[in-house]
Amino acid sequence: GAGVSQSPRYKVAKRGQDVALRCDPISGHVSLFWYQQALGQGPEFLTYFQNEAQLDKSGLPSDRFFAERPEGSVSTLKIQRTQQEDSAVYLCASSLNLHLGSGKNNEQFFGPGTRLTVL
Amino acid sequence: DQQVKQNSPSLSVQEGRISILNCDYTNSMFDYFLWYKKYPAEGPTFLISISSIKDKNEDGRFTVFLNKSAKHLSLHIVPSQPGDSAVYFCAASDPGGSNYKLTFGKGTLLTVNP
Repeated sequence: GAGVSQSPRYKVAKRGQDVALRCDPISGHVSLFWYQQALGQGPEFLTYFQNEAQLDKSGLPSDRFFAERPEGSVSTLKIQRTQQEDSAVYLCASSLNLHLGSGKNNEQFFGPGTRLTVL
Repeated sequence: DQQVKQNSPSLSVQEGRISILNCDYTNSMFDYFLWYKKYPAEGPTFLISISSIKDKNEDGRFTVFLNKSAKHLSLHIVPSQPGDSAVYFCAASDPGGSNYKLTFGKGTLLTVNP
C-alpha cells in the first residue's frame, strides 16, 4: 500500500488481557516508531526501530509493553495484562531515513492508529 | 512538564481569512520543528517543517515562523479553507540526543467556517 497501515483499527480488551497491535510501514522505510496518544493529548514516543533493531525503548511505560520488528518490516506492539490506563490510540510511523531533515521524504509518516479501550 | 505547548485548544476562523496557530517550547536544545495536521480517525499528516537556522519556511498557503529567542513558532494558513478544519499538532526534536524522537504539543482544533 501507499501508506502506513495498522490493525486492528479498534480493540476492546478486558483488564488483564494481552493485546497485540500490528503496523505495516511504508515499503522500504528503514525507521519505525510507536507512539501512544491519550485522550486530549499529543502523541508520546514509545519506541523506535532501525530495520529490525530496537534502538530506543525509553518511552515504553512499563515492562508490560513489548515491541518487535523481527524482519525489519512489519512491527507488533504487545501489551500484557492490560490496565485501564493503557486505553489510548497507538500510532505507528515510519520514515525513509533515520534522522529528521528538510524535505518530506525524511519525515515520519503516520498510520491511522489503533484505538485500544480497556474495560 | 510539557516541553511543547499549544495553549489554544481551539480556533475558529472564516473562510478566506488567515489562521494563525501558535506553539511555545521550553527546551532550548530543540532545533527542528514540524507541524502535523490530523483529521478524525486518521493519523497525523506531515504539513511543514523548519530548522532552527531559519526563521521562516513557506509551502503554498502554509508558512511557519520561528522566533528562537522567544522559543515560539507559529503556523499561518492563508487563505483558510473549510478543508483545513482539523487538529494541528506542533512537534519538536532534539538533535543533541536523538533527533528522531518527536515531542508533540496537545494540539489545536482549527475550524474554518464557510
